[in-house]
Amino acid sequence: KAGVTQTPRYLIKTRGQQVTLSCSPISGHRSVSWYQQTPGQGLQFLFEYFSETQRNKGNFPGRFSGRQFSNSRSEMNVSTLELGDSALYLCASSLRGWRGDGTDTQYFGPGTRLTVL
Amino acid sequence: GESVGLHLPTLSVQEGDNSIINCAYSNSASDYFIWYKQESGKGPQFIIDIRSNMDKRQGQRVTVLLNKTVKHLSLQIAATQPGDSAVYFCAETLGYALNFGKGTSLLVTP
Repeated sequence: KAGVTQTPRYLIKTRGQQVTLSCSPISGHRSVSWYQQTPGQGLQFLFEYFSETQRNKGNFPGRFSGRQFSNSRSEMNVSTLELGDSALYLCASSLRGWRGDGTDTQYFGPGTRLTVL
Repeated sequence: GESVGLHLPTLSVQEGDNSIINCAYSNSASDYFIWYKQESGKGPQFIIDIRSNMDKRQGQRVTVLLNKTVKHLSLQIAATQPGDSAVYFCAETLGYALNFGKGTSLLVTP
């Protein structure tokens, strides 16, 4: 069974541009979560989707948005890019919907490395 | 390879020794904890988890200890191997989100 895939793997943008990142979860998984990883802040939660609905959102500005499609694939968008948005963006999927209680496991993709110049 | 974190605490151990990685968590209401391993260029990989109603759980070569009184987690790796070299994160659950610690870099030397 294929793992979580993220495209593109690497991306270079300039300040002010916008970017869309894509995540394909493991087949049959319905929950997708997004995380930002930076050297300074570590791994930080962005948002979680289940059955096309955003259930939870982290403490990020409105420039960060996402969506989930009926096939569970997810995209996240960052508008008006800033230098501080340079990071590794990780997507994770789970089978039944992440409850955070041990009844399900999140599987992470390899991430998209975004560099903002 | 890619660096997943700068200025991380680093633990250097010799191959075959046991490793202990420590983590302090922040939310006393958290009831589920996970340890992840992240190798260069890859996403975090699940190692072992523990619920708050337990204080110890063992897996294959790994043991997690939970001390709720002082909000402390530890990951013990027995007979550390070169393939164990990676960054290790603990995470606590907050609703639908995982709150990750800063990570510890484990370096296994021959």
